[in-house]
Amino acid sequence: DAKTTQPNSMESNEEEPVHLPCNHSTISGTDYIHWYRQLPSQGPEYVIHGLTSNVNNRMASLAIAEDRKSSTLILHRATLRDAAVYYCILSILWEGNTPLVFGKGTRLSVIA
Amino acid sequence: DVKVTQSSRYLVKRTGEKVFLECVQDMDHENMFWYRQDPGLGLRLIYFSYDVKMKEKGDIPEGYSVSREKKERFSLILESASTNQTSMYLCASNSGLHDEQYFGPGTRLTVT
Repeated sequence: DAKTTQPNSMESNEEEPVHLPCNHSTISGTDYIHWYRQLPSQGPEYVIHGLTSNVNNRMASLAIAEDRKSSTLILHRATLRDAAVYYCILSILWEGNTPLVFGKGTRLSVIA
Repeated sequence: DVKVTQSSRYLVKRTGEKVFLECVQDMDHENMFWYRQDPGLGLRLIYFSYDVKMKEKGDIPEGYSVSREKKERFSLILESASTNQTSMYLCASNSGLHDEQYFGPGTRLTVT
């Protein structure tokens, strides 16, 4: 089971901020929240991840709710190159490792 | 620049053939993963490995086996290919628990 819920699709205008939501109400204390994106005809690409505190990197920001049951990926200024499927994933300890369990993701369209 | 490479981008095999998909990473990562991606089903974990000669089953291991004889190489084996194994196969690696995974470009396998 994916254990996360995301909207199937979202649309944004170029140069505007995008907020991609994710619900993970069954998250446990040791699960990390990861975001990946997949551009057409490519493998998934890491975007950002965090545990409890908000995180920023050169690609995006991750805002994590205080109860950790939801999070939001923020792209500060969408570009046409950001059009992709965005996956919100919980990194869960399993058999001594933390493989990723992908859900369906959110398909982001960016309009010029 | 970190790199995960897969032996072929496109592969066509006949039903019943034994198929080898090779994945090589140059980052000295401990963990390696094999996923398949199908329309409407997203990415699903087949097998993963956390050390040389070690392996763990993922969500859908039936019909597949794996081999990890060297740290940098993780092979996915289809003992007797079937048409329902036509899919995009993605390899990934990472260095530790909850760390970001680096994905290869994928191999699109068609079994006829």
